[in-house]
Amino acid sequence: KNQVEQSPQSLIILEGKNCTLQCNYTVSPFSNLRWYKQDTGRGPVSLTIMTFSENTKSNGRYTATLDADTKQSSLHITASQLSDSASYICVVSDRGSTLGRLYFGRGTQLTVWP
Amino acid sequence: EADIYQTPRYLVIGTGKKITLECSQTMGHDKMYWYQQDPGMELHLIHYSYGVNSTEKGDLSSESTVSRIRTEHFPLTLESARPSHTSQYLCASSESNPSSAGFYEQYFGPGTRLTVT
Repeated sequence: KNQVEQSPQSLIILEGKNCTLQCNYTVSPFSNLRWYKQDTGRGPVSLTIMTFSENTKSNGRYTATLDADTKQSSLHITASQLSDSASYICVVSDRGSTLGRLYFGRGTQLTVWP
Repeated sequence: EADIYQTPRYLVIGTGKKITLECSQTMGHDKMYWYQQDPGMELHLIHYSYGVNSTEKGDLSSESTVSRIRTEHFPLTLESARPSHTSQYLCASSESNPSSAGFYEQYFGPGTRLTVT
């Protein structure tokens, strides 16, 4: 069964601190892994997309890593800001589907306190 | 910022009413999707479309129906709303052809929060 598991479920950090979110998946055959940011009451917005051959990708203060052998990914946020408070969702796409089907994790709810 | 719009953003309605959630995109994307998301849970695909006159059911069974008469428009309808339909509904779209890296980027609308009393 294709699954995406994220940890922790929720996280509270102080402004300016760093944090790392984890994602494990069993989706096969693997095509790509995405990290989305979803603000409360809004739709998800893409942060990074990594294919099988990529093991790290950055987008500003966000850095994602991918280990396709162990089927694990992480999202590292540097120098957190209050606006980083949101749900961060790990999404994996399988290969061999013209739909580009996505499998979603439940997200990590990040709260940044001043 | 993706050019995909959903209306209404919030809807509170009584049991038994018929409702239509609107979704429009101005990017000319052929593929469109409807997802359902409960608080703290993952998104579940309930409907998708490859293009005009194409509609398919997704992974999660839903009593809702969709139509695709125009490329830019993908409305979702509930003939008789029930409290179990209370949820957030997210619309998304993507291009027909994958990127050079081989993936389909999906762009999400802001969602409609539906409450059925």
